[in-house]
Amino acid sequence: GENVEQHPSTLSVQEGDSAVIKCTYSDSASNYFPWYKQELGKRPQLIIDIRSNVGEKKDQRIAVTLNKTAKHFSLHITETQPEDSAVYFCAAGLGGTSYGKLTFGQGTILTVHP
Amino acid sequence: EAGVTQFPSHSVIEKGQTVTLRCDPISGHDNLYWYRRVMGKEIKFLLHFVKESKQDESGMPNNRFLAERTGGTYSTLKVQPAELEDSGVYFCASSQARINSPLHFGNGTRLTVT
Repeated sequence: GENVEQHPSTLSVQEGDSAVIKCTYSDSASNYFPWYKQELGKRPQLIIDIRSNVGEKKDQRIAVTLNKTAKHFSLHITETQPEDSAVYFCAAGLGGTSYGKLTFGQGTILTVHP
Repeated sequence: EAGVTQFPSHSVIEKGQTVTLRCDPISGHDNLYWYRRVMGKEIKFLLHFVKESKQDESGMPNNRFLAERTGGTYSTLKVQPAELEDSGVYFCASSQARINSPLHFGNGTRLTVT
């Protein structure tokens, strides 16, 4: 089955700096890669996703890149703010009718210091 | 629209007891998923309902876990008898019945087995 590795497990940055979280996956059939943000005590929320026919996607301060050949994808957050502090999860899935069956990474605890 | 709701938010039970978790998906969402996060590790897929039918239960740990979705609305996940390793956060998620429909998670139920 699919295996997703996520690094780093913890990341501490100063407000205004950039943060990068990286994930690798094992199943070349995976073609849907979402990122979820979970604030303390709250639900995981989808912040951005990318499908395998796209190499990069950006939404304001958040961007995701995908390298299908190398089987890795990354989340980039620019101009970090304290409210970006949360646990971030990457995930991989087959898409299509199996869109909701995802394999998650272990999570990255991001702390943004004011 | 109301989000995915889960009940209870917390449950503390003794080893050997039974616990039933409930999930109410977003109205109109045919797809319902159960996930679990154990001890700060990755979020793992348990099973997937399409309406009242189990589409995929490949992630269910063992036969102490029973999920139902009678009538295709809310779902329950029963653990009987509970073991120490069942402790974790159980998430429910739902999505619409169309390709590329994203997952919406609930806040989760934190289960502690002592």
